[in-house]
Amino acid sequence: GDSVTQMEGPVTLSEEAFLTINCTYTATGYPSLFWYVQYPGEGLQLLLKATKADDKGSNKGFEATYRKETTSFHLEKGSVQVSDSAVYFCALGGSRLTFGEGTQLTVNP
Amino acid sequence: DTAVSQTPKYLVTQMGNDKSIKCEQNLGHDTMYWYKQDSKKFLKIMFSYNNKELIINETVPNRFSPKSPDKAHLNLHINSLELGDSAVYFCASSYGTGVMNTEAFFGQGTRLTVV
Repeated sequence: GDSVTQMEGPVTLSEEAFLTINCTYTATGYPSLFWYVQYPGEGLQLLLKATKADDKGSNKGFEATYRKETTSFHLEKGSVQVSDSAVYFCALGGSRLTFGEGTQLTVNP
Repeated sequence: DTAVSQTPKYLVTQMGNDKSIKCEQNLGHDTMYWYKQDSKKFLKIMFSYNNKELIINETVPNRFSPKSPDKAHLNLHINSLELGDSAVYFCASSYGTGVMNTEAFFGQGTRLTVV
């Protein structure tokens, strides 16, 4: 069945550091891929998405590219801020959203 | 205007009680979902409805019963609550006939604590 694997957390970075959160997936067909973010005490918000191979999703300085050959959708940001501290979820579309385990990111000043 | 709203936000109750969580969306979506998030933040789908019809029913105890009076509402009723039901429950909605290749919009969550 469909599945998503995210890099284990938690991840702790200093402000302005480079961020990568790895995400790989297993799926039949070519589903859309998503990154969601969950700030403390809140629901999930869509951060970015990609609907087909080689698409790059981007939002708020975050980027991820849909790589069919490596079945990956890694999240990157060139310079993180304290306000980026949150839990990040990679997700796979289909008959339902299949989520990865989530990666807790803490950014220190 | 809140797109997907859940009530209550917090729910503390004793074991054995029956409780309901309500969800409403004003986005005009035709598909709604309930997800459960455990203490390790793992998210798992419980149910999905499309135009008031149940289309996904994961392995969930039958103490959990969803009800969709119309396509803008999906409520979750839980009977005989157990300690293990403590979690955050998220409602979500999207376009499409259950094919979630479009983005889903989530409510703020209901933190259920069973004591």
